[in-house]
Amino acid sequence: QQQVKQSPQSLIVQKGGISIINCAYENTAFDYFPWYQQFPGKGPALLIAIRPDVSEKKEGRFTISFNKSAKQFSLHIMDSQPGDSATYFCAASRGSARQLTFGSGTQLTVLP
Amino acid sequence: EAQVTQNPRYLITVTGKKLTVTCSQNMNHEYMSWYRQDPGLGLRQIYYSMNVEVTDKGDVPEGYKVSRKEKRNFPLILESPSPNQTSLYFCASSHGTSGLYNEQFFGPGTRLTVL
Repeated sequence: QQQVKQSPQSLIVQKGGISIINCAYENTAFDYFPWYQQFPGKGPALLIAIRPDVSEKKEGRFTISFNKSAKQFSLHIMDSQPGDSATYFCAASRGSARQLTFGSGTQLTVLP
Repeated sequence: EAQVTQNPRYLITVTGKKLTVTCSQNMNHEYMSWYRQDPGLGLRQIYYSMNVEVTDKGDVPEGYKVSRKEKRNFPLILESPSPNQTSLYFCASSHGTSGLYNEQFFGPGTRLTVL
């Protein structure tokens, strides 16, 4: 049973557009929600993360929106650029445990 | 340069031939972990280690072994590989004592094919 469901599986956006990736979780004990970015041939790298005590976190063009009651969170990439083309994974973990539960990934392609 | 290294990066082997994938980090991290990445399934944790001589199962531990004799190294051992272990493997590490929300640093990956 997948504890973190991610959609869409793939996404194509024009340069300058907004990319939106959604995740939903089931375990209400989760208290840390990171997004990882992975380029081909590389390991995932932390992009941005949020805790459930805030509803939004913004870092440059990247924003996480968090809806605790709906158990959903999303990544918004504003002014998407071809260099943003990568696979994005949402994840969740709880407490002091380092065990991350990942979503299935979204392959983002930003067209020039 | 702070990094997680894995070796080998690519490996083709045959069913039943024991193999070891090495992982090393130079950041003095307490926590280390192994994941496998499969299409449509994301990354799934195999084993993790909170510190030297402390290891525990993740979500998909069957068919794998690990050891943590030194802080910097966390090898993944496949005693008798099978074709369903064909996958992309990642090692990761993070600090284990300074708070709840520690970033995990991933290695470059090892692509394993079991024939």
